[in-house]
Amino acid sequence: QITLKESGPTLVKPTQTLTLTCSFSGFSLRNSGVGVGWIRQPPGKALEWLALIYWDDDKRYSPSLERRLTITKDTSKNQVVLTMTNMDPVDTATYYCAQRRADWGWDWFDPWGQGTLVIVSS
Amino acid sequence: SSELTQDPAVSVALGQTVRITCQGDNLRNYYASWYQQKPGQAPVVVIYGQNNRPSGIPDRFSGSRSGYTSSLTITGAQAEDEAAYYCNSRDSSGHHWVFGGGTQLTVL
Repeated sequence: QITLKESGPTLVKPTQTLTLTCSFSGFSLRNSGVGVGWIRQPPGKALEWLALIYWDDDKRYSPSLERRLTITKDTSKNQVVLTMTNMDPVDTATYYCAQRRADWGWDWFDPWGQGTLVIVSS
Repeated sequence: SSELTQDPAVSVALGQTVRITCQGDNLRNYYASWYQQKPGQAPVVVIYGQNNRPSGIPDRFSGSRSGYTSSLTITGAQAEDEAAYYCNSRDSSGHHWVFGGGTQLTVL
């Protein structure tokens, strides 16, 4: 069974750096084709893709947020870490991590973690 | 980057068929995946690729693509299908992903 779980601070102050950890089990980021992505959702709003890291350490970022994001992996710990600098109240959202799966040239996100709510406020 | 456009809200009578659409230039080259999200829960994939359902997803859910539009069809909608539905695909560069704005489905 594949599971993912996000962890990190619930409250951060404006201008601070957010660090979120995705801890997963049931798969390995050593395996070819595997990826882990981060997606966020402001309260009452749509999903927004943020970043993804592949098994080979290839990293992809949302063009609109790229300068603020860093994604890394610790294969030995089965963890993926996302950092976002210069946090602003508009970054208040539930942050999800999800496994990127692929087959026959298409890909999808499954499963997702339960999400972690991050509130940006002074 | 590309955008995916969805109708904000759609309603369907219980037991009837509903189609939820997603439009975007990149959909000519990439299949959309579809996610169901109920209040307070994480999204769950219901359709991916050409028309694939993960284990546990009822066969009343199906997907299709025509030109710049991908569609999620629910044939015989049930009360438990009331949820927000999001489409997702690669953007036109193929290096990033984008989500649609979501469609809130109401089952009457």
